[in-house]
Amino acid sequence: DVKVTQSSRYLVKRTGEKVFLECVQDMDHENMFWYRQDPGLGLRLIYFSYDVKMKEKGDIPEGYSVSREKKERFSLILESASTNQTSMYLCASSLWGGAGNTIYFGEGSWLTVV
Amino acid sequence: TQLLEQSPQFLSIQEGENLTVYCNSSSVFSSLQWYRQEPGEGPVLLVTVVTGGEVKKLKRLTFQFGDARKDSSLHITAAQPGDTGLYLCAGAEGQNFVFGPGTRLSVLP
Repeated sequence: DVKVTQSSRYLVKRTGEKVFLECVQDMDHENMFWYRQDPGLGLRLIYFSYDVKMKEKGDIPEGYSVSREKKERFSLILESASTNQTSMYLCASSLWGGAGNTIYFGEGSWLTVV
Repeated sequence: TQLLEQSPQFLSIQEGENLTVYCNSSSVFSSLQWYRQEPGEGPVLLVTVVTGGEVKKLKRLTFQFGDARKDSSLHITAAQPGDTGLYLCAGAEGQNFVFGPGTRLSVLP
């Protein structure tokens, strides 16, 4: 089975703090994604990566950055956390295209910024 | 960017009833996935459908991909309280994915 692991399930951070959310997948997937999920807004793509050291902005990249130094690891960074970044963050991975392309999610990280 | 619509948005039924939820788009996807998400957890993959007209069964759940690969349905037979959750559909668009807003299902004992 595909396993996407998010290291922190619940975090509480203060406004202005730097926050790191870590994600590891064990299926040698090329593609990795970070989404945030908010009530009434659904899943919104923050950043994605098709390869090591490669990153692309999603729909809502402002206030975030990412790092992909190894194929299995994709980190989301909040340089200076703000209260409007309180949300559920979901990491996901998928193989490189093809029929039956499927995205797999981690358990989610609940971030509260106070 | 392709869009996915899901209906109904909310559904509350009694245990033992049958139900169908829908996922629709005006565009074609190379594959489509269904997920169930429980509160506080990430979406869990239920099925991937690839071929137009494909039908897949997972115990009491039946998934169908439309012939034109633009829409899909999920039918649950004899719903149980454990089926309660948010059902999301997602379509593969190149290397990225498009998500529907979800159907929130509540099955009452």
